[in-house]
Amino acid sequence: AQSVAQPEDQVNVAEGNPLTVKCTYSVSGNPYLFWYVQYPNRGLQFLLKYITGDNLVKGSYGFEAEFNKSQTSFHLKKPSALVSDSALYFCAVSGGGGYNKLIFGAGTRLAVHP
Amino acid sequence: DGGITQSPKYLFRKEGQNVTLSCEQNLNHDAMYWYRQDPGQGLRLIYYSQIVNDFQKGDIAEGYSVSREKKESFPLTVTSAQKNPTAFYLCASSIEGQGGQPQHFGDGTRLSIL
Repeated sequence: AQSVAQPEDQVNVAEGNPLTVKCTYSVSGNPYLFWYVQYPNRGLQFLLKYITGDNLVKGSYGFEAEFNKSQTSFHLKKPSALVSDSALYFCAVSGGGGYNKLIFGAGTRLAVHP
Repeated sequence: DGGITQSPKYLFRKEGQNVTLSCEQNLNHDAMYWYRQDPGQGLRLIYYSQIVNDFQKGDIAEGYSVSREKKESFPLTVTSAQKNPTAFYLCASSIEGQGGQPQHFGDGTRLSIL
């Protein structure tokens, strides 16, 4: 069965410091991996995805993610955090196949302090 | 601007009442999805539709019903059989129901019990 784990409920980082939000996955076959961000009382916004190719994926708002097949991880990173990055972040995986069913992690709340 | 519109933003349900949540998209996407979001649990799939006049149950379909009579519209009915309907409901769509395509989300409907 497909699953996604986000081991940290909350990540705290100072503004200007690098941030990492962790994600590990379990899926049979080649995974399609996604990161989304959610601001309060809003829907999810797509940040980036990994389908195939380069293990380092660049996305919106300066975010990037590194796919590591041996560790089954897809951690979200940003070199310099902004207070406005504070939000809820979701990792999701799709195992491909017949349709685009996404399995979401429980989410990680990122708090960037001035 | 293209996007997904969910209405109403807030909805209150009385005991024994059915309520319908609206989801409209003008992205010309084939596939549409309904998710339920509860605190600390991520998103769970209720129903999805890959094409007009066809839809499939997701992981938590009991107590919910949908229709897909038009490509643009995918309304969700929360029936009286759903005993714990209080949640944030998110509608999404994607280009096609195949893996690898990011889903685009509306801004949600928050349903509460009176």
